[in-house]
Order: sequence, then C-alpha cells, then structure tokens
Amino acid sequence: DAKTTQPPSMDCAEGRAANLPCNHSTISGNEYVYWYRQIHSQGPQYIIHGLKNNETNEMASLIITEDRKSSTLILPHATLRDTAVYYCIVRVSNFGNEKLTFGTGTRLTIIP
Amino acid sequence: EAQVTQNPRYLITVTGKKLTVTCSQNMNHEYMSWYRQDPGLGLRQIYYSMNVEVTDKGDVPEGYKVSRKEKRNFPLILESPSPNQTSLYFCASKVQTDTEAFFGQGTRLTVV
Repeated sequence: DAKTTQPPSMDCAEGRAANLPCNHSTISGNEYVYWYRQIHSQGPQYIIHGLKNNETNEMASLIITEDRKSSTLILPHATLRDTAVYYCIVRVSNFGNEKLTFGTGTRLTIIP
Repeated sequence: EAQVTQNPRYLITVTGKKLTVTCSQNMNHEYMSWYRQDPGLGLRQIYYSMNVEVTDKGDVPEGYKVSRKEKRNFPLILESPSPNQTSLYFCASKVQTDTEAFFGQGTRLTVV
C-alpha cells in the first residue's frame, strides 16, 4: 500500500490560495490520489481525486507531478470555512474493499 | 438530499451493555463501511459490506458485529462494549470504485 506524507499543519490568509502538498513516492501505476477534508470532527468530505492528469472541480484543483510521486491540492480562494484537516489518500483496493486509509493529515487554518 | 444518517450522534453507556449504532443511506449505494477515529490513529476501518448479505472484516473488527439485511441499512453492533471502544464512529457509503465516499456525521460513543 502506498503511504502518504503531509505536513502536520499550515496557515493561509483568507482570500489567498491554499496549497497543500502530499508526498506519495511509492504509489503504483493504477492507484488514484484522493483528497478528503474533515471539519471539526464532522464526517470526512470528499474533495477531488485523480490518476495522472491535473483535475479541477468547483471546490479545488489537484496537481499531480509527472512521476506521480507527489501532488498538491489547491483551494483557490480560501475562506474561513475551509479551516479543516485535509487528508491525502492513495486508494487501497483489496479484493473489492474500497478501503480509505486515512493518515493524520494537514491541519489547515485560514487566518482572517 | 443525498445523505448518510447515523444514530445516535452521542451515546454514553456502561461496560457490557449491548448497543447498536444505526446507519442508513438514501443513495442506493452497494458499498458501506464503518470506521472508528481515535486521536493520533486516524480513521481505521472496522467492517465493510459490498452488498446485501455480504460483509467482511476491516482492520479492527474485534468486539464489533454488523449486518446488511437491506441495501440502505448497515448497523454496527457492540455486543459487550468495553472502555477501549470509546471512540468517534463514522459510517460511509459509495456506489463503485473510483468515486467519492459519503460519510455520516459521526457517533461519539463513551463506554464507562
């Protein structure tokens, strides 16, 4: 199973872009990168996922390096409501069990 | 509104008193799963179900039971709760591989 490494915490000024890095140097070719976030002990919320191309949706953009060993989640205009713990996950599939292995994530604090 | 509903949200119980935490989803998802979240350990999978009457153990199944008699419901049963099962529990559902998982709002269980 590919493991991920994220900084434990980051701050970002409100209105600025928040760039959250993730290292997954042992990722294999058919594993996707997923990002979830958890706001204040609520249920985790899906943000975005990708395989090798950059992805964008209404919440965020995901930039995956060409060698796929790292990625960056970008929140283009951070608001106070984006304060949360962000998890970078490489999908583990074990005979149909789509288990999500959450690490300790990055605690992002948006500063007014 | 698409959602995963857990009940109760908060529960304090005594050691050995059987309890059930319910989970229901309204999205017709085949796949459902239970996680527990503890400080410093992230989310760990307890049990999962690929469809009705199909369940299997996750990483930390000891002390828990589940059932999947209907597609929408996936209750978590603690036959004889112990204090080390004090935790924050999340139910999740999804429809197929490579799509987002939807999480419930969580059940904070305290066993004294």
